[in-house]
Amino acid sequence: AQKVTQAQTEISVVEKEDVTLDCVYETRDTTYYLFWYKQPPSGELVFLIRRNSFDEQNEISGRYSWNFQKSTSSFNFTITASQVVDSAVYFCALTPRGTGNQFYFGTGTSLTVIP
Amino acid sequence: DAMVIQNPRYQVTQFGKPVTLSCSQTLNHNVMYWYQQKSSQAPKLLFHYYDKDFNNEADTPDNFQSRRPNTSFCFLDIRSPGLGDAAMYLCATSTTPGLAVEQFFGPGTRLTVL
Repeated sequence: AQKVTQAQTEISVVEKEDVTLDCVYETRDTTYYLFWYKQPPSGELVFLIRRNSFDEQNEISGRYSWNFQKSTSSFNFTITASQVVDSAVYFCALTPRGTGNQFYFGTGTSLTVIP
Repeated sequence: DAMVIQNPRYQVTQFGKPVTLSCSQTLNHNVMYWYQQKSSQAPKLLFHYYDKDFNNEADTPDNFQSRRPNTSFCFLDIRSPGLGDAAMYLCATSTTPGLAVEQFFGPGTRLTVL
C-alpha cells in the first residue's frame, strides 16, 4: 500500500522564522519518487522538488531545503526566513515506479506566514 | 509561456444538470490527468489519458467521464452532478506516465452544485 502522511494540518509562523513541514511515507516498492508541491490561494499546484529513492542527498534551493531519510521514511521540507509569499498549502506526494505516474498525495499542510 | 489552462475557473451548476469542464495545454505532453480536490483534502486522481488511451481509476464514479479529442484538449464531463461533487477539479499533464516525471497543473476549476 502507498500512503503519505502530513501530520501537520496547519502551521502559523511569524515572518522571518524558519519552519519545517513534515512528510512521512509508506511504500513496499524499492524504487519510488517523492515530490513537494505548493498550492497558493490561486489554486494551481506548483512543482518544487522531485527526489528518487536512491538519492538521499539533502538539497538546498535558496530558502528551501529538503531532508530525505529513508531510514525513517521521511522527506521533510524546511523554509528558512519565511516570507508572506510562502503562505500556501504544501503537498508531499509519492509515486512508485511503474504505477503509471500515479501520485499519492498527503493531505497537505496549510502554512500561514504572519507579517 | 507553455502552460495548462482550465476553463472556466468557476462553474456553478444545478443538481443533476450535466456540466463539462475543459483543459488545454501548450506543452505538447502525452499524458493528461484529471484530479478532484475537495476542501482541505489531497487531490484525488480520477483518470488519465496517455495519448488516446484512457485509464480510469477503479473508484472513480461512473458519473464522471472524459474525452480527449486531440493532444491539446481534455474534457471532464459530469453527467448528473450531485452535491458531493462540489470540489476543485485540477487538470495536469506530463511527458510520459511511467517515469515519475513532474506533473504540470492548471489553476483548477471550482465547481459549485446548487
